[in-house]
Amino acid sequence: GDSVTQMEGPVTLSEEAFLTINCTYTATGYPSLFWYVQYPGEGLQLLLKATKADDKGSNKGFEATYRKETTSFHLEKGSVQVSDSAVYFCALSEINNAGNMLTFGGGTRLMVKP
Amino acid sequence: ETGVTQSPTHLIKTRGQQVTLRCSSQSGHNTVSWYQQALGQGPQFIFQYYREEENGRGNFPPRFSGLQFPNYSSELNVNALELDDSALYLCASSSTGANEKLFFGSGTQLSVL
Repeated sequence: GDSVTQMEGPVTLSEEAFLTINCTYTATGYPSLFWYVQYPGEGLQLLLKATKADDKGSNKGFEATYRKETTSFHLEKGSVQVSDSAVYFCALSEINNAGNMLTFGGGTRLMVKP
Repeated sequence: ETGVTQSPTHLIKTRGQQVTLRCSSQSGHNTVSWYQQALGQGPQFIFQYYREEENGRGNFPPRFSGLQFPNYSSELNVNALELDDSALYLCASSSTGANEKLFFGSGTQLSVL
């Protein structure tokens, strides 16, 4: 079945450092790919998405490119802020026998220090 | 804030009991999905309801059941609670059934003792 693997955290960075969180996926078809962010005590918020190969999703300085050849969707940001501290989830969506469903990775906690 | 509200926010039950969790979807949304998020893990899909009918189900046993009402609000029922059911239960709503426009609530934290 479909699966998503992302790097384990926590990732600890200083403010203004460059961020990369790796994400790879396994899917039978052509999924849409997502990054969600979860702040403490809150639900998940969609950060960005890409629906086909070579698409780049971007939002709030974060970017990720849908790489079909490497089945990857790595999250990057050029200069992180303390307010970016959260848990980040990579996910895919593929319509299958279970209907529309999101398959999530295990999450990566990011901690940004001033 | 997404407009998806869940109640209660926290709940403590004992093994073998039954629990009902509630979700009010965002205005105009006719599709509701439920996810279970165990501590330190990613959310796992339980099931989805579209216009009051189940529209897909993940790998969860039948003791996990749901309902969607005419106003598109939803309930998640879990019977015969087990310790491993302790988790954050997330509800998400959308207007088309497509995950591209999914809005999550803040969740119900269930503890089973």
